[in-house]
Amino acid sequence: GQQLNQSPQSMFIQEGEDVSMNCTSSSIFNTWLWYKQDPGEGPVLLIALYKAGELTSNGRLTAQFGITRKDSFLNISASIPSDVGIYFCAGPLWGYSGAGSYQLTFGKGTKLSVIP
Amino acid sequence: NAGVTQTPKFRVLKTGQSMTLLCAQDMNHEYMYWYRQDPGMGLRLIHYSVGEGTTAKGEVPDGYNVSRLKKQNFLLGLESAAPSQTSVYFCASRHYEQYFGPGTRLTVT
Repeated sequence: GQQLNQSPQSMFIQEGEDVSMNCTSSSIFNTWLWYKQDPGEGPVLLIALYKAGELTSNGRLTAQFGITRKDSFLNISASIPSDVGIYFCAGPLWGYSGAGSYQLTFGKGTKLSVIP
Repeated sequence: NAGVTQTPKFRVLKTGQSMTLLCAQDMNHEYMYWYRQDPGMGLRLIHYSVGEGTTAKGEVPDGYNVSRLKKQNFLLGLESAAPSQTSVYFCASRHYEQYFGPGTRLTVT
């Protein structure tokens, strides 16, 4: 199946710094999703991207759908301690089954630690 | 509006025991999903359902069964638990995008 590669796997940053992470695939995606998972919780949808080149913000978070449709980027500006968690990218697994089932494939996540 | 809820939150089983995990959603979503999350592996799809009375296999279905008798509920069953099924299990439901429950942490000894 399609695989999503996230980098970096983990990062330690000082509070107030900006953060950048990305997700790449060898296959084209029609949708890119970014989720955040707090420790002991389920993933929460942050941003959904539906068009190549699209740039979407959600507060201090900004995500971009790459022009090639094979990558996406997530930036966090002025990080704060509550940004700690694991950030996952995801995209639809179109080829895995019939249309409409909308299965997702997930990257393995970027673990973010913020030093106060 | 509680969203997606899962019960129980924690469970310890002995090898060979059976159990059922319950997922409930109050958003009237057609699609529901069960995932497992293991360290370093991300989220992997076990089974999913595109509507009441339907189920289908995902990426890692072996050792699990599911049922969707009511639209709002999606049950995940382990008939004979194995240590390899120690994991955190997440349910999700979807209208446009998937929304996740808080998870069930299962340990099989």
